[in-house]
Amino acid sequence: AQKVTQAQTEISVVEKEDVTLDCVYETRDTTYYLFWYKQPPSGELVFLIRRNSFDEQNEISGRYSWNFQKSTSSFNFTITASQVVDSAVYFCALSEPYRDDKIIFGKGTRLHILP
Amino acid sequence: GAVVSQHPSWVICKSGTSVKIECRSLDFQATTMFWYRQFPKQSLMLMATSNEGSKATYEQGVEKDKFLINHASLTLSTLTVTSAHPEDSSFYICSARDPTSPGTGKETQYFGPGTRLLVL
Repeated sequence: AQKVTQAQTEISVVEKEDVTLDCVYETRDTTYYLFWYKQPPSGELVFLIRRNSFDEQNEISGRYSWNFQKSTSSFNFTITASQVVDSAVYFCALSEPYRDDKIIFGKGTRLHILP
Repeated sequence: GAVVSQHPSWVICKSGTSVKIECRSLDFQATTMFWYRQFPKQSLMLMATSNEGSKATYEQGVEKDKFLINHASLTLSTLTVTSAHPEDSSFYICSARDPTSPGTGKETQYFGPGTRLLVL
């Protein structure tokens, strides 16, 4: 069955520190997509990245980077030089295109960036 | 990116009343929309998959008679919470899949801003 595990419930770091959010997934399919979303206090989901299962290249976007490793079924997210505005709940998620493409979310990691 | 709207953004109602929430894709046609529910400090839980012109598919444990979903057009899906009770108070979020979205790395499902329901 498909499942996304975010073991870190809550993390606090001081501003400018780097922080990595862990994500481990389970799926029976060879074709799947992985996502990261940010949810600020307003509640609206902010899309960060979508990665397909055939592309294991790591991605960097500004201060954000993602490390996808199929061997360990992990899709970790790192924020470098964190800022207070990065404080939010971050969700890792999985979808399988042959199962209606519905997105299954992890429980989320609440990130506090302390000034 | 594509835009999905939800209306209303906030609703407060009395216990026993029904509440309708609309989800619209504003600049693309969505054959499939999804409804999620999020309780405070919890994750988003998929409630149902809504396909245009057919009955919705509900996830296990979601009462289809309580949460009525209608996807009557390619740009509109509605979720009606019937006979709402305080335990139905939650944040309801819809998403719409854009079948024409480009591939790798791009967003293909767009989430609405959510509707906060408070049942008194």
